[in-house]
Amino acid sequence: DVKVTQSSRYLVKRTGEKVFLECVQDMDHENMFWYRQDPGLGLRLIYFSYDVKMKEKGDIPEGYSVSREKKERFSLILESASTNQTSMYLCASSFTMGRDYGYTFGSGTRLTVV
Amino acid sequence: KNQVEQSPQSLIILEGKNCTLQCNYTVSPFSNLRWYKQDTGRGPVSLTIMTFSENTKSNGRYTATLDADTKQSSLHITASQLSDSASYICVVSFTGGGNKLTFGTGTQLKVEL
Repeated sequence: DVKVTQSSRYLVKRTGEKVFLECVQDMDHENMFWYRQDPGLGLRLIYFSYDVKMKEKGDIPEGYSVSREKKERFSLILESASTNQTSMYLCASSFTMGRDYGYTFGSGTRLTVV
Repeated sequence: KNQVEQSPQSLIILEGKNCTLQCNYTVSPFSNLRWYKQDTGRGPVSLTIMTFSENTKSNGRYTATLDADTKQSSLHITASQLSDSASYICVVSFTGGGNKLTFGTGTQLKVEL
């Protein structure tokens, strides 16, 4: 069964802490994505990566960075967590356009910044 | 700006009844449209995906339709069950977008006894 696995379901961090959210996929997908989901706003793209060591900003990259050192792993980093980063974070992966349209999400990480 | 709008925002139905959720989009050029089901506190799970040449796709009790001319899609759920209670999200992909998606804000469905 193919999977996108996010390391934590729930996370509570203090303002100013550096936070790492990890995502691993076992489908050999080229593309990986980080979204945040807030009530009434839907999913918004933070960053995505179409290859190892490659990254591109999404719609709301401010306050975030990412790392993709291996094809299967995509990390989201909050350099200095703030309360407005309290949200549900979803990782997803897919093949490159022109191949299978499969787009698989992880179960999400509910981050609370206090 | 590419947009996806869903209606209604929320819906309550009795178990066993049918319902239809709507999705209108302005994404162009269109590549494909997906419907996802998202249980509370979980990630979205794919129900159907349709390209512009397809106008209907079924997955069990879920049937999605697509009218690429009017840029509308609907998701029909038949014989609803309590486990259908979830958020249903319409997602549109546009060509040249690097496989990025535009998400609707979802319809929150509650099925009651």
